[in-house]
Amino acid sequence: DQQVKQNSPSLSVQEGRISILNCDYTNSMFDYFLWYKKYPAEGPTFLISISSIKDKNEDGRFTVFLNKSAKHLSLHIVPSQPGDSAVYFCAASGSNAGNMLTFGGGTRLMVKP
Amino acid sequence: ETGVTQTPRHLVMGMTNKKSLKCEQHLGHNAMYWYKQSAKKPLELMFVYSLEERVENNSVPSRFSPECPNSSHLFLHLHTLQPEDSALYLCASSQDNRGSTDTQYFGPGTRLTVL
Repeated sequence: DQQVKQNSPSLSVQEGRISILNCDYTNSMFDYFLWYKKYPAEGPTFLISISSIKDKNEDGRFTVFLNKSAKHLSLHIVPSQPGDSAVYFCAASGSNAGNMLTFGGGTRLMVKP
Repeated sequence: ETGVTQTPRHLVMGMTNKKSLKCEQHLGHNAMYWYKQSAKKPLELMFVYSLEERVENNSVPSRFSPECPNSSHLFLHLHTLQPEDSALYLCASSQDNRGSTDTQYFGPGTRLTVL
């Protein structure tokens, strides 16, 4: 049973508009969440993270929102750029499990010029 | 070189072959990881090493054998694999594995095909 789920396998957005990628989790022991971005033929690269003591973290065009009661997080990219086209993975870890990451299945984002 | 490197980038092997995947990190980290990404599946953690000691083995079949000779190098020895083991194998490292907030940095992966 997947503890981290990304229910949308793909998302298409027009350049300049907002991209919203969603992630749901089931394990209430998760207290740290990350987003990774992956281009073809490359490994995942860290994008942004959020601790469970916060509900929002912003870094430039990227903002992650955490709703603990709903066990839901989202990544907002604004404005979206063609170079943002990649697969985005949500991951979670819990302080009781060290740094063991549990990943979602990924969402392929396509930003059209 | 910087970051996390993996060799080879692509590997094709028969079920009776023995091969090894290599990972090297140049970040001064103390923890290293092997992940497997099969088609249409999430990344799955296989092994974790911290300060060269294995701390996690997620019930991985014995045909996969990790080795961590020092904190900068990690190997995955493969023998008598099955076609369903074909996947992208990713190595990662982090400062350590004790805190849940240490960011893991990934290598480019080895695309393995078992015939």
